[in-house]
Formats: sequence, structure tokens, C-alpha cells
Amino acid sequence: DTEVTQTPKHLVMGMTNKKSLKCEQHMGHRAMYWYKQKAKKPPELMFVYSYEKLSINESVPSRFSPECPNSSLLNLHLHALQPEDSALYLCASSFRGGPNNEQFFGPGTRLTVL
Amino acid sequence: AQSVTQLDSHVSVSEGTPVLLRCNYSSSYSPSLFWYVQHPNKGLQLLLKYTSAATLVKGINGFEAEFKKSETSFHLTKPSAHMSDAAEYFCVVSGLIGNEKLTFGTGTRLTIIP
Repeated sequence: DTEVTQTPKHLVMGMTNKKSLKCEQHMGHRAMYWYKQKAKKPPELMFVYSYEKLSINESVPSRFSPECPNSSLLNLHLHALQPEDSALYLCASSFRGGPNNEQFFGPGTRLTVL
Repeated sequence: AQSVTQLDSHVSVSEGTPVLLRCNYSSSYSPSLFWYVQHPNKGLQLLLKYTSAATLVKGINGFEAEFKKSETSFHLTKPSAHMSDAAEYFCVVSGLIGNEKLTFGTGTRLTIIP
């Protein structure tokens, strides 16, 4: 299995809802990432987990809460989002992190906040 | 610190003609460099990577890139464009060892004219 899967593909939520995005990989990768991508822009890093520990948080608002239950699974819990949080949310993984380890990206979850 | 500049936001070529997407980088150390492609409403796919081995790097789908340290460039080329090459292309530079962060260029949209 050489892919990163993300569910759901699309999500529409109101500002008072609580929802979660899920990311899974079975490549034995030990670094996992969440990115946010707005239209016609490059991805922006949100969080990095390395060996299931949060290693980077790019000053993301607390309404986004990441979780890494095990080495294959990464969640992003969403609560009280704003319309400007509407974007494509990408998950990625790499073998061990670091400069020579390419990141493998999932297809993304298209989030719309009403 | 590192940075990436993609010199063209949009490139149009005719099908069957060569493709050139330009990328310059800035880094205070010997970087790892990547080219990713993103088709509409999809995740990012790695085309190729440079990690201080051969300066001419061959990737998937007939793409290749040449690392030129003297020019701080890592341009992406393909001898003959295909309609399926129409997509957004990102030039990316990695962080230092132990730093999982990638720095993305702003992207080049490649349009193929039939």
C-alpha cells in the first residue's frame, strides 16, 4: 500500500458544529503532516507529528485540534470554525521526516464552513 | 533560512512542444529540492527530487530537472508536452536535518494548447 487516504472527501459544516478529518497511511512512515490550501495558493503547514508526538504547530488557532492515535492514523478535530477556514485540507506522510524524505500527500478534504 | 521563487505564474505550451518551468532557490546550506504536481481538486504528487547526488534528476512522466548550484536554479523540463500535463506545479525546498518543514514556491500553472 503506497498511498495516503483521507476521509471525508467533502465536508460542509456550520460554525457551531464539531467534525473530524481522518488521514491514514500504511507505508510505515513515522512523520505525518496537516496542511491547509486555499485556492490558487501553495499548501501551508499546520501541524507535524513525528513518531506520534506533536513536533511542529505553526501557531494554528485552537479551533483546530490534531490527534495522532497511532503511527498510521492522523485526525484533525474541528470546532467553532469560521467561514475563512474553508479550504482544501491535505494530509501527508514521510518515512522519518527531515530534508531528504519526500512527503506523500493524500487527495485532501474539501471543507466548506457556512 | 530558505526560499523558493517560481519565475512564472502561468506557462502555456502547445501539445508536443517542450516544457520549461523555472525555479530559483535560496538556501544557506546544501538543500534538498523537489517538484510536485497538483491536478485540479487532487492532492500533490511527487515528480522528482534532488538530494545532492546526480545534478540531473529524472522523474516520472518524462519530466527531469537540473540542479545548478552556480545559478541557484532547479528548472523542470519535459521534451514533449501532453494534454495530461496540464496542472499546477510547485517547486519545494526542504529544511535542515531534523526540520520537517518544506518551503513551497507560489506555483506555476501549466496550460497545454491542443
